Amino acid sequence: DAKTTQPTSMDCAEGRAANLPCNHSTISGNEYVYWYRQIHSQGPQYIIHGLKNNETNEMASLIITEDRKSSTLILPHATLRDTAVYYCIVFYNQGGKLIFGQGTELSVKP
Amino acid sequence: DTEVTQTPKHLVMGMTNKKSLKCEQHMGHRAMYWYKQKAKKPPELMFVYSYEKLSINESVPSRFSPECPNSSLLNLHLHALQPEDSALYLCASSQDTGMGYTFGSGTRLTVV
Repeated sequence: DAKTTQPTSMDCAEGRAANLPCNHSTISGNEYVYWYRQIHSQGPQYIIHGLKNNETNEMASLIITEDRKSSTLILPHATLRDTAVYYCIVFYNQGGKLIFGQGTELSVKP
Repeated sequence: DTEVTQTPKHLVMGMTNKKSLKCEQHMGHRAMYWYKQKAKKPPELMFVYSYEKLSINESVPSRFSPECPNSSLLNLHLHALQPEDSALYLCASSQDTGMGYTFGSGTRLTVV
């Protein structure tokens, strides 16, 4: 079963930062937080992952709270092409299964 | 090559047909996966292969039969499917189980 809670949908204005929250209050110490997104009718795309420290790559930043019970994915300058369903997944890196929750449908509007 | 390639992209089959979905990767990944995704729902894990051996079957009906002929190739054989099996079938691979997954773009299956 998915171990995360995300808002069903969010809107963001083009050019602004999109901040997508995720709650994972039952996360274990050896479980990572992964983010994927799925643009309509395509396969899911890996965005970023982290354990306890904040992470940044060319796509996004991941902010994980100190108690690790929640995190936020930040798309710094959202474009129309960022419109997608975003999945926050808690994943055990030693043989764990990638189990998708319901995700957040992000709509970036002009 | 950093892609997972799935063929065909679209497939229409009758309930008495036998068909196969194909998935290929050349990234040297040793774990491969099949997912099923119904419209407006998240992907659901079906099978996990690790080092060419089936390691997880998520209680999938026997009309779906996976096969891993070699480390680069994963097939899903379909037989006597029902209309409710119509869905997007996604293949993924990872360097090992527990590593980040790379997904293909899927096969859109319609059972008539």
